[in-house]
Amino acid sequence: DGGITQSPKYLFRKEGQNVTLSCEQNLNHDAMYWYRQDPGQGLRLIYYSQIVNDFQKGDIAEGYSVSREKKESFPLTVTSAQKNPTAFYLCASSIRDRESEAFFGQGTRLTVV
Amino acid sequence: GQQVMQIPQYQHVQEGEDFTTYCNSSTTLSNIQWYKQRPGGHPVFLIQLVKSGEVKKQKRLTFQFGEAKKNSSLHITATQTTDVGTYFCVAYGGATNKLIFGTGTLLAVQP
Repeated sequence: DGGITQSPKYLFRKEGQNVTLSCEQNLNHDAMYWYRQDPGQGLRLIYYSQIVNDFQKGDIAEGYSVSREKKESFPLTVTSAQKNPTAFYLCASSIRDRESEAFFGQGTRLTVV
Repeated sequence: GQQVMQIPQYQHVQEGEDFTTYCNSSTTLSNIQWYKQRPGGHPVFLIQLVKSGEVKKQKRLTFQFGEAKKNSSLHITATQTTDVGTYFCVAYGGATNKLIFGTGTLLAVQP
């Protein structure tokens, strides 16, 4: 089945540790996105990528890093510089076209203790 | 930068009542998309509107795109408990093709 997969679903980390969230898609989509969602809030864009080996900062990129070495993969690293990393992280992908829908992964709920 | 605002932020209705959420952009949009996120879930695409003044229906849901392509609305007729969730309007931002989510409207339906 084609789709977008995020892993793990739940992740616990100690404060000060970097952690990498996985996002893989087999939809052959060029564009991929990372969003952060806090309880009762909307989605805020962290990073996005329109093509392999290229990505741009979103609205809240500080404390995060990404890579796009392969078309199907767009991992997000939450670094120790992110002051409040506990949140629900969503990855999405779409055809690089303004009239295409985005497909979302199931999300990763990160808790930093 | 481009902003997409939604009102209301939260709506609580009795089952069978109608519901409407409104989406407003600070800039003219090429198109608008609507997504639904169930509690604890991920956003799922509902529909896309492209043309000025466009109206589309999906069963009890009616979507409308404003004449100036700066606003949109989603109307649900006779809500059901299955309609519970957060409804987001989404726009593509500028020349970068990044997806910009509206602030969302959380719908609660009381049986």
